[in-house]
Amino acid sequence: DTAVSQTPKYLVTQMGNDKSIKCEQNLGHDTMYWYKQDSKKFLKIMFSYNNKELIINETVPNRFSPKSPDKAHLNLHINSLELGDSAVYFCASSQAGQGGIYGYTFGSGTRLTVV
Amino acid sequence: DQQVKQNSPSLSVQEGRISILNCDYTNSMFDYFLWYKKYPAEGPTFLISISSIKDKNEDGRFTVFLNKSAKHLSLHIVPSQPGDSAVYFCAASEGGATNKLIFGTGTLLAVQP
Repeated sequence: DTAVSQTPKYLVTQMGNDKSIKCEQNLGHDTMYWYKQDSKKFLKIMFSYNNKELIINETVPNRFSPKSPDKAHLNLHINSLELGDSAVYFCASSQAGQGGIYGYTFGSGTRLTVV
Repeated sequence: DQQVKQNSPSLSVQEGRISILNCDYTNSMFDYFLWYKKYPAEGPTFLISISSIKDKNEDGRFTVFLNKSAKHLSLHIVPSQPGDSAVYFCAASEGGATNKLIFGTGTLLAVQP
């Protein structure tokens, strides 16, 4: 019974295409996140939503647009994909105010390859 | 500007011995520090955390030590087991409403049987 699930697990696409990654959590958490792990293995936060409200928006190109239809789902849409977008994207969730104590629960990642 | 740094990209330890993973940080506003473990093709999994008001937290074979004056924390694994072989990430949070976790670059631990 997966706690944080992401789809797809692998995504290969051509430059210029638009793609979406979906994330769902069944933990009852109210805060969800998107992280990007680049080729140097550096995990960097992109966005965070709390109860469908955007609370963290790091310096990310506006080709990236998160959408949270409800507190259990956080999707990531990427327009006009570029080679540099190739990375592993991780979704995570936590209960508000408890991420520091109990950490986030991460999904297994989506490996995006732009060719 | 990396606020959380793990200067050792890799570490190799014999089974049964102690593994010590180190992490340094620059932001004195961090109030929680965490360690995550990551296997290939999986997401990071939470291991242990420590509040900035403490200097030690223990959970089974895992102990985290915090030295605030040196802005340094370490994770001790005793005894090390082959199943502990993974990438270990240090992370820190300022707490508050966003609870944003800032991660280090990871240390690959290899426990040799």
